[in-house]
Amino acid sequence: QVQLQESGPGLVKPSGTLSLTCAVSGGSISSSNWWSWIRQPPGKGLEWIGEIYHSGSTNYNPSLKSRVTISVDKSKNQFSLNLSSVTAADTAVYYCARKVRITMIVVDWGQGTLVTVSS
Amino acid sequence: EIVMTQSPVTLSVSPGERATLSCRASQSVSSNLAWYQQKPGQAPRLLIYGASTRATGIPARFSGSGSGTEFTLTISSLQSEDFAVYYCQQYNNWPTFGQGTKVEIK
Repeated sequence: QVQLQESGPGLVKPSGTLSLTCAVSGGSISSSNWWSWIRQPPGKGLEWIGEIYHSGSTNYNPSLKSRVTISVDKSKNQFSLNLSSVTAADTAVYYCARKVRITMIVVDWGQGTLVTVSS
Repeated sequence: EIVMTQSPVTLSVSPGERATLSCRASQSVSSNLAWYQQKPGQAPRLLIYGASTRATGIPARFSGSGSGTEFTLTISSLQSEDFAVYYCQQYNNWPTFGQGTKVEIK
């Protein structure tokens, strides 16, 4: 089973950029999976942010597309999320996840990391 | 964007009883529907995909049904570990989640 671990600052200032990394272990990031970011504001539901394939192909949530960049580092077996111009509404637990390309199912999740946007 | 609507928001059930959760899509998603269970402080866990296929290791008391726009998750006999929030998610188009149904102890 693939393990995923998010890392990054837990506090970001308004108008700044949120940056997170997801380390993948137990499998190769070059396998047939979409590597995804999903978030959950405190006490609320889940929102798909975007995803990347090892080739570099990306898909982004239309509502966030102008602010999101997802990249992959195959040499480190990890992928990253950048979310710019953040506001308090971006405060959430951010999860990285593995979505199997053939079935389009998310089968593995990281434990999640809380990012708070505050001055 | 396909909007997923779950009902009820909260379901109060006694241990051993059956729980029935509903999920409706704003347009057809065929059978491209998954159900997840989430407990406090934990990531969601995949229960059902393809509307009715149990994921690896999921007990048989969990079952899913439906296609198109109407879906149901049934827990045949609730165990103490089943009290949690359940989310449906469509993956026919850009993936979207329902707002969740909390299953609580009656």
